[in-house]
Amino acid sequence: SQTIHQWPATLVQPVGSPLSLECTVEGTSNPNLYWYRQAAGRGLQLLFYSVGIGQISSEVPQNLSASRPQDRQFILSSKKLLLSDSGFYLCAWSVPVERGELFFGEGSRLTVL
Amino acid sequence: AQKVTQAQTEISVVEKEDVTLDCVYETRDTTYYLFWYKQPPSGELVFLIRRNSFDEQNEISGRYSWNFQKSTSSFNFTITASQVVDSAVYFCALSRGSYIPTFGRGTSLIVHP
Repeated sequence: SQTIHQWPATLVQPVGSPLSLECTVEGTSNPNLYWYRQAAGRGLQLLFYSVGIGQISSEVPQNLSASRPQDRQFILSSKKLLLSDSGFYLCAWSVPVERGELFFGEGSRLTVL
Repeated sequence: AQKVTQAQTEISVVEKEDVTLDCVYETRDTTYYLFWYKQPPSGELVFLIRRNSFDEQNEISGRYSWNFQKSTSSFNFTITASQVVDSAVYFCALSRGSYIPTFGRGTSLIVHP
């Protein structure tokens, strides 16, 4: 069966520090991968998605970047965090078809102080 | 453009009550897919159901049921005999012709014992 895991679960970082959130998927090949952010108010904001290794699409211009160094690994990064980067980050995967439902990781809660 | 509206921000019920979560969508496409996800307090979004635009049959799974009506562009979710464990934020989503679903802003359901 397929599983998705992201880490760390909780992170408290000072403003200006770097960030690295990792996500891995097991049990499937060539998944679509997604990073979402959920700030206060519950809405899900799509940050990045990827349909293959090295292929990253950014939905929102911002302080963050994403990389997909391996087929089932997706990394969210920042060189210098801002206060506004605080939130709940969710990684997700789907089968590479247009109707595919998303399967989410456990989430990473980031607090920038 | 496509849009998903969950007009109910928060619903509060007492255990054993039935509750319906509304979802209204907008799309110009004839082929599309609708989804419901549950986000319990732990944070991880859990996929509940997918429906395609050509299948208007209602779906029942235990205490959960879904009513899809193309005539009103709605895909409502009913929980029968609600339980405290049903307390969560529920998201409706729409996908058509792309890998990127459009999510509603979610409805927070609180079930009191």
